[in-house]
Amino acid sequence: EVQLVESGGGLVQPGGSLRLYCAASGFTFSSYWMHWVRQVPGKGLVWVSRIKTDGSRTNYADSVKGRFTISRDNARNTLYLQMNSLRAEDTAVYYCAKDLGGYYDFWGQGTLVTVSS
Amino acid sequence: QSVLTQPPSASGTPGQRVTISCSGSRSNIGSNTAFWYRQIPGTAPKLLIYDNSQRPSGVPDRFSGSKSGTSASLTISGLRSEDEADYYCAAWDDSLSDVGFGGGTKLTVL
Repeated sequence: EVQLVESGGGLVQPGGSLRLYCAASGFTFSSYWMHWVRQVPGKGLVWVSRIKTDGSRTNYADSVKGRFTISRDNARNTLYLQMNSLRAEDTAVYYCAKDLGGYYDFWGQGTLVTVSS
Repeated sequence: QSVLTQPPSASGTPGQRVTISCSGSRSNIGSNTAFWYRQIPGTAPKLLIYDNSQRPSGVPDRFSGSKSGTSASLTISGLRSEDEADYYCAAWDDSLSDVGFGGGTKLTVL
């Protein structure tokens, strides 16, 4: 059974940093692109970042470029999102998602990041 | 501002057929396939339709998708109370080089 379990969310002050984790199981993690998608509570879904199977290629939404870094450890079946210089507008539930050719066939349950003083 | 445009709400009575539209542009739906996700508030989104009209295993054939030009649509036939959820369309956008989502449509079963 495919499982994606996010963790690492919490309350952080503006300008602070946080690292999100996504533990994957039930599939060959190293064979799939992985993504982070976020959702402000009560609002829509917004793509954040993606990473190639071997970590050699990454892409970011303009809103997080230069502040967030996506990475992965295929030996540990774990996806990461390092978030620096956090802003109030980064407050959202962050989901990791498995890419099956341009779409997401599995999503994690999400982890809430709250940026507030 | 969402990349794709959906109506914010839709409704129907049990047994009815409801269609949710998703309007895009040449750089997204016009050039790439559309997907639909369903989300019950407080839970993770779930894939409903991929490649415009394909259903993953386990998704009932009451759900169907189509695409025409720069628009896509999701049709739910034989509406049931458990279909109440938020529905999102999505497509890769060549101009943005990222995934564009619609703003979501909240479906209410009256």
